[in-house]
Amino acid sequence: GAVVSQHPSRVICKSGTSVKIECRSLDFQATTMFWYRQFPKQSLMLMATSNEGSKATYEQGVEKDKFLINHASLTLSTLTVTSAHPEDSSFYICSARSATARGVEQYFGPGTRLTVT
Amino acid sequence: GDSVTQMEGPVTLSEEAFLTINCTYTATGYPSLFWYVQYPGEGLQLLLKATKADDKGSNKGFEATYRKETTSFHLEKGSVQVSDSAVYFCALMSTNAGKSTFGDGTTLTVKP
Repeated sequence: GAVVSQHPSRVICKSGTSVKIECRSLDFQATTMFWYRQFPKQSLMLMATSNEGSKATYEQGVEKDKFLINHASLTLSTLTVTSAHPEDSSFYICSARSATARGVEQYFGPGTRLTVT
Repeated sequence: GDSVTQMEGPVTLSEEAFLTINCTYTATGYPSLFWYVQYPGEGLQLLLKATKADDKGSNKGFEATYRKETTSFHLEKGSVQVSDSAVYFCALMSTNAGKSTFGDGTTLTVKP
């Protein structure tokens, strides 16, 4: 099946700094990618939908100026957490949508654990 | 909007016991339905899926049938193993938007 990678897998940063997380579709092109956030022992919360070449669509309650999303190519989307604070510590998961003759599929990355100290 | 309701956990079973995790959904149109599994510290892995009514998804002994009349997609396994211990998420994907809506997850612990 299709593979989605994320980098880094874990990151620790100091409060006030910015962190960039990359999401790549390795063997297919993804015009649409999604960014989720997962708190411990909770479900995935959709943060935003990232479309190649256009602005991301953010879900209600997600600060677009804090969580900057860029989808510059068909295989790469990035999430930048700006001026990170301890409450931004979470597990961030991306997914990429693939449309084929078999229909629409969504493939998930392995996640990035962000810890803000 | 779309929503997914999963059986609350945690669920604790003995090895070789029968497993059922209930999942019901609300959606417009005809979504695709999925079960994902998440092991500690890892991302989501697709376990099985069904794309239309009466389809049965199956993988690694797990099964789920897309029941349109009851808007359900219950996960079952006849004989669980310790290695099945994980968090299981039911999800739907709307065909129009292509984004997924997840249930809250059910933690399964299988004891030897």
